[in-house]
Amino acid sequence: EPEVTQTPSHQVTQMGQEVILRCVPISNHLYFYWYRQILGQKVEFLVSFYNNEISEKSEIFDDQFSVERPDGSNFTLKIRSTKLEDSAMYFCASSEIVSTGTDTQYFGPGTRLTVL
Amino acid sequence: DQQVKQNSPSLSVQEGRISILNCDYTNSMFDYFLWYKKYPAEGPTFLISISSIKDKNEDGRFTVFLNKSAKHLSLHIVPSQPGDSAVYFCAASLNYGGSQGNLIFGKGTKLSVKP
Repeated sequence: EPEVTQTPSHQVTQMGQEVILRCVPISNHLYFYWYRQILGQKVEFLVSFYNNEISEKSEIFDDQFSVERPDGSNFTLKIRSTKLEDSAMYFCASSEIVSTGTDTQYFGPGTRLTVL
Repeated sequence: DQQVKQNSPSLSVQEGRISILNCDYTNSMFDYFLWYKKYPAEGPTFLISISSIKDKNEDGRFTVFLNKSAKHLSLHIVPSQPGDSAVYFCAASLNYGGSQGNLIFGKGTKLSVKP
């Protein structure tokens, strides 16, 4: 069964450093998403991406964050200058456009980001 | 601002019995609801969904019920199995005009099914 994959599974970085989290969405999906879950808290939406541009973003997704689809398979989340509070599990998700407009998003296993 | 609420942080059920997980929402514009299951150190796994035009959707042992007037949905698992032990997240979205809205999650309910 097709699945969303993410690398690395765990990333440790120093505060102020840049990190890039990578995702390979399901191949025939056209919508891509990033979510995060801070330990003990809810899964929170960060950004959605369609047709090579951001379609929606939350207030969390400030200028320190950016997303890119550098080729036909990868979808990346970059954090330019990490802060301690960026430590979280980051989940990538993808969905297929369905004519009924339903929105079943399939999630990857997550990348645990630890900022020291 | 908790638009999606799961008021029970945990639930313990005996194997073979019914598990009922509840979810309430505040935004009447939500038109699509999903349940995800999550094991530790894994991503949320899609379980079942329901559109706001329906009041019930069934898939094997899993049934989701939607009561729009009460802004309430529930997930029934019958019969419950030990492998169902996980955290269950309720999520809702707004699919305005066919575009893909972001998901708004509840805090989750940890289900433990005892043999």
